[in-house]
Amino acid sequence: GAVVSQHPSRVICKSGTSVKIECRSLDFQATTMFWYRQFPKKSLMLMATSNEGSKATYEQGVEKDKFLINHASLTLSTLTVTSAHPEDSSFYICSARGGKDTQYFGPGTRLTVL
Amino acid sequence: AQKITQTQPGMFVQEKEAVTLDCTYDTSDQSYGLFWYKQPSSGEMIFLIYQGSYDEQNATEGRYSLNFQKARKSANLVISASQLGDSAMYFCAMREGEGDSGGGADGLTFGKGTHLIIQP
Repeated sequence: GAVVSQHPSRVICKSGTSVKIECRSLDFQATTMFWYRQFPKKSLMLMATSNEGSKATYEQGVEKDKFLINHASLTLSTLTVTSAHPEDSSFYICSARGGKDTQYFGPGTRLTVL
Repeated sequence: AQKITQTQPGMFVQEKEAVTLDCTYDTSDQSYGLFWYKQPSSGEMIFLIYQGSYDEQNATEGRYSLNFQKARKSANLVISASQLGDSAMYFCAMREGEGDSGGGADGLTFGKGTHLIIQP
């Protein structure tokens, strides 16, 4: 099956710094990627839809200036958490559309903000 | 109102028994898709099975089958002959709309999950 990678898998940063998370589709092109956030023992919540070559579409309640998304190529989307705070600590997972009926998920990135 | 409801926060099942994980959904769209994902403790989301709203037959993938009851808006996952490695969180999810419209967001809406534990 299609492979989606995320980098880094785990990151610890200081409050106030910015963190960039990469999501790559390794063996297919993805015009659309999605970013999800998962709190401990909670479900995934869609944050935004990342479209190649255009602005991301954010879900209600997600701060676009806080969570910057760039989909610069057909295989790469990045999520930058700006001025991170402890409440941003979470598990961030991306997925890439492989067709109408399929989304392939990355392995996730665990962010801890001290 | 929740769009995806999974009523079983946790389940304990004996190895080799069949398991049914419940999922009900709420949508006014005529076209939608239903997914089941498995999330082991490592955190990765593993795709298990998909059912389209217009599919007349229940989806099956190996030991996984989806009991799709459209009138009841139910999409239960059935795992036959459970194995110890099936222990994980299981999420039901829905994509509303055609999915390949290319325009709007069609990310998935997830249920709260069921923590399945298979006992030897």
